[in-house]
Amino acid sequence: KAGVTQTPRYLIKTRGQQVTLSCSPISGHRSVSWYQQTPGQGLQFLFEYFSETQRNKGNFPGRFSGRQFSNSRSEMNVSTLELGDSALYLCASSLPGNEGYTFGSGTRLTVV
Amino acid sequence: DQQVKQNSPSLSVQEGRISILNCDYTNSMFDYFLWYKKYPAEGPTFLISISSIKDKNEDGRFTVFLNKSAKHLSLHIVPSQPGDSAVYFCAARASNFGNEKLTFGTGTRLTIIP
Repeated sequence: KAGVTQTPRYLIKTRGQQVTLSCSPISGHRSVSWYQQTPGQGLQFLFEYFSETQRNKGNFPGRFSGRQFSNSRSEMNVSTLELGDSALYLCASSLPGNEGYTFGSGTRLTVV
Repeated sequence: DQQVKQNSPSLSVQEGRISILNCDYTNSMFDYFLWYKKYPAEGPTFLISISSIKDKNEDGRFTVFLNKSAKHLSLHIVPSQPGDSAVYFCAARASNFGNEKLTFGTGTRLTIIP
């Protein structure tokens, strides 16, 4: 079966711009979570969506937002980009109560 | 505050020997623990997990041990193989309904020396 698909794989943006990242979960998975990975910080939880509702949110500023569509696909948006937003953004999907996520390959965002 | 800690950023082990990766946590609400493996330019892949009702779970070359009183878990890889070279993340979850959030450690880079 198809895995979690994230697009685009790589992105370069300038400070002050905004960006939208996309995630298509595994078919049948209704929970989608987003994480930011930066060197030395591990994976930091951004938010989780389930059935189009944000169920959990991490400690990120309001510039980071997301949404989920009725087909479970999810997008995350970062507005007014800062240099520190440069990171690998990972999306993961899961079934409720499943023991683990399945991650996508991520979107590498570079802010210049 | 870092609720899940992996205090060793890196570890080198000879091929064929045992690799032991450690993880500590502080949140008593965590009751499910997972290990993920990550290669560069790829997303993490699930390796093995353990519930807090157990103290050991084994899957082939991989065994995870949980010491609840010490809030410590470890991943043992025996025997270590070159393909095991990757970054390993420990993660924890408080399994109340509706909570899929995982809290990750900062990772340990494992290098297997041929």
